[in-house]
Amino acid sequence: QVQLQESGPGLVKPSETLSLTCTVSGASISSYYWNWIRQPAGKGLEWIGRIYTSGSTDYNPSLKSRVTMSVDTSKNQFSLNLSSVTAADTAVYYCARDETGISLDYWGQGTLVTVSS
Amino acid sequence: SFELTQPPSVSVSPGQTASITCSGDKLGNKYACWYQQKPGQSPVLVIYQDSKRPSGIPERFSGSNSGNTATLTISGTQAMDEADYYCQAWDSSSWVFGGGTKLTVL
Repeated sequence: QVQLQESGPGLVKPSETLSLTCTVSGASISSYYWNWIRQPAGKGLEWIGRIYTSGSTDYNPSLKSRVTMSVDTSKNQFSLNLSSVTAADTAVYYCARDETGISLDYWGQGTLVTVSS
Repeated sequence: SFELTQPPSVSVSPGQTASITCSGDKLGNKYACWYQQKPGQSPVLVIYQDSKRPSGIPERFSGSNSGNTATLTISGTQAMDEADYYCQAWDSSSWVFGGGTKLTVL
């Protein structure tokens, strides 16, 4: 069974960089796209971007200038960096596997990141 | 930019059929999928490629997609189906989510 687990600081100061890692277990990270999605409290889902195991990326145009994703196949992990954060970036952040443009078939449990001084 | 529009809320009586729509320009030319999200939980895929059900999803969940509208249909709705539902499609190198629909079973 494929499992994904997000990890990283739960509190980030304004203007700093939010950094999260997603660890994949139960399957190889190879040959899939891996996504980040976020959800502010009480609001809908927002796609942040995705990365293929080759390092190729697609980002949400509205966040592209602040987003960087990377992948470490040796650790079966992929990561998200979101720079210059503000309170508007406070949300639950999910990682998810991308069934090659068909759907997001496996999701992590989500991790709450709060942006506050 | 491509947008997906869902009704904010839908109500249904237990045992009846619930239909949740998702509208987008020429959505029928793309694949649509649907997610169920219960409070405090991660989204769960319930329909992919317009009408396919992942393993473990009950048969009462079905989907269709034509023209500008994709529809998620829940037949014989149960109290456990009360949740938020999100549609999603791939467009111009981006995943796009609908705003979500709160399904109330009453």
